[in-house]
Amino acid sequence: DIVMTQTPLSLSVTPGQPASISCKSSQSLLHSDGKTYLYWYLQKPGQSPQLLIYEVSSRFSGVPDRFSGSGSGTDFTLKISRVEAEDVGVYYCMQGIHLPPFGQGTKLEIK
Amino acid sequence: QVQLVQSGAEVKKPGASVKVSCKASGYTFTGYYMHWVRQAPGQGLEWMGRINPNSGGTNYAQKFQGRVTMTRDTSISTAYMELSRLRSDDTAVYYCARDDTPFRTGGVIIAPDYWGQGTLVTVSS
Repeated sequence: DIVMTQTPLSLSVTPGQPASISCKSSQSLLHSDGKTYLYWYLQKPGQSPQLLIYEVSSRFSGVPDRFSGSGSGTDFTLKISRVEAEDVGVYYCMQGIHLPPFGQGTKLEIK
Repeated sequence: QVQLVQSGAEVKKPGASVKVSCKASGYTFTGYYMHWVRQAPGQGLEWMGRINPNSGGTNYAQKFQGRVTMTRDTSISTAYMELSRLRSDDTAVYYCARDDTPFRTGGVIIAPDYWGQGTLVTVSS
């Protein structure tokens, strides 16, 4: 099985400060179709997961531009340029070509 | 706008079955795979499988093979997930989630974009 390792598992950020979450995969996420199926989701408290970033670096519809994704191969990063109070929740990285797909999640809190 | 509306909470006894529905609107139901993902209390996300609403073809995670059945009714744009032989550790919120690519082909790709609100299934004697 593939292992998706997120670090840190939790972080506490002052509003207006940046935040970064790493996601490392035990296998390459580059598919034979040339795409890299690495996604980022945010699950706010009491809500369903919501898509933030698809295929490593593309922002989903309506996602603020303070969220950005980068990486390739097995190493990926989600960055929030300026954290806001509404960004609290658990962030999951997910890869779409091996099972199991989801990382363990990173909990973001506001200081 | 894309909406996925799931059925309400269920309480089941061990050994029973549960069937969760997911009604889609705002897009062509038969054009996108539907995934099912569950989340046990305080835990992470677990992919269960997917269904092609056009053909009815399914792919299940090995863990759920033999216990899960995913179906659809295209006349009412609704997908279903039935889990049988329930155990206490099946207590979870079950989500449906639409795949992000229309008429996806090739192997199994898991790429949900829109998610339902979730259905809590509690298994307790």
